[in-house]
Amino acid sequence: AQKVTQAQTEISVVEKEDVTLDCVYETRDTTYYLFWYKQPPSGELVFLIRRNSFDEQNEISGRYSWNFQKSTSSFNFTITASQVVDSAVYFCALSEGSGGSQGNLIFGKGTKLSVKP
Amino acid sequence: NAGVTQTPKFQVLKTGQSMTLQCAQDMNHNSMYWYRQDPGMGLRLIYYSASEGTTDKGEVPNGYNVSRLNKREFSLRLESAAPSQTSVYFCASSEVPLRQPTEAFFGQGTRLTVV
Repeated sequence: AQKVTQAQTEISVVEKEDVTLDCVYETRDTTYYLFWYKQPPSGELVFLIRRNSFDEQNEISGRYSWNFQKSTSSFNFTITASQVVDSAVYFCALSEGSGGSQGNLIFGKGTKLSVKP
Repeated sequence: NAGVTQTPKFQVLKTGQSMTLQCAQDMNHNSMYWYRQDPGMGLRLIYYSASEGTTDKGEVPNGYNVSRLNKREFSLRLESAAPSQTSVYFCASSEVPLRQPTEAFFGQGTRLTVV
């Protein structure tokens, strides 16, 4: 069965620290897609990145970087030089390319990141 | 370009009352979804519509009905609200069904309280 685990419920850092949010997934599909979403205190869900299972290249976007490792079924998210505006709940999610339904994003329970000045 | 718009943003219902949550997207997306978010549970899929004219149950469909009114609009109806339906509801859309390489964009959410 498909599952996404975010073991870190809450993380607190001081501004300018680097922080890594962990995500471990389970799926039997060979084709799948992984996502990160940000939910700031205002409540909306903001799409950050999608990664395809056949593309293990890591990605960097400004202060954000993502490390996808199929060997460990992990898709971790690192924020470099964190800022107060990074404070939010971050969700990792999975959708399956063949065995899953056409409509479902399987979400982890989220990691609440607090960045203190 | 508003993206995904949900109405209302907040609602309080009494047990047994009915209501419809409205959702519209202006991105010409084919697929639309309704999720609920409960504390410590992440988001769970209630219903989805892979394309105009189709709807399917998700993980937690009991107590809800949906209507894909047209390509833009996808509504969620609670026929007889129960306290267990107190939650934050999110509508989302994607260009194609999530089985394909695409991403879902979410509305602002509706905070529903059933007393």
